[in-house]
Amino acid sequence: DAGITQSPRHKVTETGTPVTLRCHQTENHRYMYWYRQDPGHGLRLIHYSYGVKDTDKGEVSDGYSVSRSKTEDFLLTLESATSSQTSVYFCAISERGGEHNEQFFGPGTRLTVL
Amino acid sequence: QKEVEQNSGPLSVPEGAIASLNCTYSDRVSQSFFWYRQYSGKSPELIMSIYSNGDKEDGRFTAQLNKASQYVSLLIRDSQPSDSATYLCAVNPALTGGGADGLTFGKGTHLIIQP
Repeated sequence: DAGITQSPRHKVTETGTPVTLRCHQTENHRYMYWYRQDPGHGLRLIHYSYGVKDTDKGEVSDGYSVSRSKTEDFLLTLESATSSQTSVYFCAISERGGEHNEQFFGPGTRLTVL
Repeated sequence: QKEVEQNSGPLSVPEGAIASLNCTYSDRVSQSFFWYRQYSGKSPELIMSIYSNGDKEDGRFTAQLNKASQYVSLLIRDSQPSDSATYLCAVNPALTGGGADGLTFGKGTHLIIQP
């Protein structure tokens, strides 16, 4: 298995509170991604990173921010959590960008916003 | 808007038979295609990637790509109960500016292998 961990694995929080999810990799891959998975929607890209301090928005980025200060860590922050952000969040990594960018997923974080 | 379409299923296949999973995509210039397997409560696991028209085989799995028809499929031979899972089709959309866009996923097909 690719060396990807996510923390926390489960979190329950209240509306309006800030939440930070962490993705940590030991593969030294350049590219990292955050997705959310919801019933009826499948996996959707939130943000991605193509290097330290280099990030960009994905399809569903509103309400989320990211940071990448080290190759191995990619943080996803919900500044003020809402119930619509209740979801399962997956981090993915890829050695390549562009074509042939096989992505490998972490174990996921289940977030519940009450 | 880029779309990836899959039949949600469930697709029920007897053990030992061939399971055939299909996927269509809307972005004609997409270049890379992936199949992931996801067990309930687990993360997606990459099982096949395909980049050129034709067939690509890996063990019991065969991926088929037809870019003219914008169609990609996954065949699972000698299906086993352990193959029961949701299979996600993913497409790497056409790139602009050389960035590393994420994948566009279909909603998945739920496959059940009946013993």
